[in-house]
Amino acid sequence: KAGVTQTPRYLIKTRGQQVTLSCSPISGHRSVSWYQQTPGQGLQFLFEYFSETQRNKGNFPGRFSGRQFSNSRSEMNVSTLELGDSALYLCASRTDPNEKLFFGSGTQLSVL
Amino acid sequence: KQEVTQIPAALSVPEGENLVLNCSFTDSAIYNLQWFRQDPGKGLTSLLLIQSSQREQTSGRLNASLDKSSGRSTLYIAASQPGDSATYLCASRSYNTDKLIFGTGTRLQVFP
Repeated sequence: KAGVTQTPRYLIKTRGQQVTLSCSPISGHRSVSWYQQTPGQGLQFLFEYFSETQRNKGNFPGRFSGRQFSNSRSEMNVSTLELGDSALYLCASRTDPNEKLFFGSGTQLSVL
Repeated sequence: KQEVTQIPAALSVPEGENLVLNCSFTDSAIYNLQWFRQDPGKGLTSLLLIQSSQREQTSGRLNASLDKSSGRSTLYIAASQPGDSATYLCASRSYNTDKLIFGTGTRLQVFP
């Protein structure tokens, strides 16, 4: 069974640009969540989607948005990039709240 | 607001030692608590998941316990090996927010 797949693995952008990250969950997992990891703030929850609906959201500005498609694949978009958005963005999937979270390898975003 | 703390922040031990990593959380109304391992620059690997109704979970050389009344979980690693070197993170999901809140992590180094 394939794991959680995130693309691309690395991204370099400049301030003001926008970026879209992609996540394909494990087959059969309907929940996809996104996290930002930085050395200073650690791992922080961005949002979670279940069956194409956003069911929970972290404390991030509106520049961060996401969506989930009918095949459970998810995308995360960050608009008007800032230097502080440089981070490892991790996606995770699960079957339901009682089950383990499975993470992808992440997308390392560098904003110059 | 749920806060999760891990002690110690870093640990360096010789091979063969038994280890205890600590995780404290402020909101005792937790749904479950999960332990993860993260290798440098990579995603997280789920190690153990403890539901709120359970007191401990075991997998191979790993044992995790949960004490909701004191707001603590411990991860016990028996007979440590150099391959155990990684950052270990705990994360709790509370009923109040349904968000997964991560601890700051313990960076473990096991030397031969």
